[in-house]
Amino acid sequence: GDSVTQMEGPVTLSEEAFLTINCTYTATGYPSLFWYVQYPGEGLQLLLKATKADDKGSNKGFEATYRKETTSFHLEKGSVQVSDSAVYFCALSDTSGTYKYIFGTGTRLKVLA
Amino acid sequence: DTGVSQDPRHKITKRGQNVTFRCDPISEHNRLYWYRQTLGQGPEFLTYFQNEAQLEKSRLLSDRFSAERPKGSFSTLEIQRTEQGDSAMYLCASSWTGGPTPDTQYFGPGTRLTVL
Repeated sequence: GDSVTQMEGPVTLSEEAFLTINCTYTATGYPSLFWYVQYPGEGLQLLLKATKADDKGSNKGFEATYRKETTSFHLEKGSVQVSDSAVYFCALSDTSGTYKYIFGTGTRLKVLA
Repeated sequence: DTGVSQDPRHKITKRGQNVTFRCDPISEHNRLYWYRQTLGQGPEFLTYFQNEAQLEKSRLLSDRFSAERPKGSFSTLEIQRTEQGDSAMYLCASSWTGGPTPDTQYFGPGTRLTVL
């Protein structure tokens, strides 16, 4: 079945460092791909998405490119801030018409001042 | 647009008790999803509704779990005879399949259940 694999955390960075969180997927067909962010005690917020190969999603300085050849959707940010500290989830949307999500296990990011 | 809301935010119960959670989706969203998230894991799909019809249930949804969306608006998730393994965050999400982004779901803040 479909699956999503994320790099394990926690990831600890200094402020203004470059961030990469790896995400790879296995799916039938061509799913949409998402990054959601979860701050402590809160639900999931959509960070960015991409719907087809070579699409780049971007928001708040974060970017991710849908790479069909490597089945990847890595999240990047050029300069992280303390306020980016959160858990980041990579997800794909089922292609059967249900649009249910399959999530990775999440990667906790901690940014130090 | 007030977003997806869930009630209660936290619930502590004793093993064997029944609990019910409520989710209010974004108005006019026709799809509503329930997920369960255990500590350190990503959310896992439980079930979803299109309007009032429950179209799919995960095998994670044992017969102690039941969900309803009686008028195609709010939904309830009931767990009967709770077990300690039911302790988790229960997330609700909604979406509108009639627009350009039918696969984009909007999540509520979740209900954290602790079973003692």
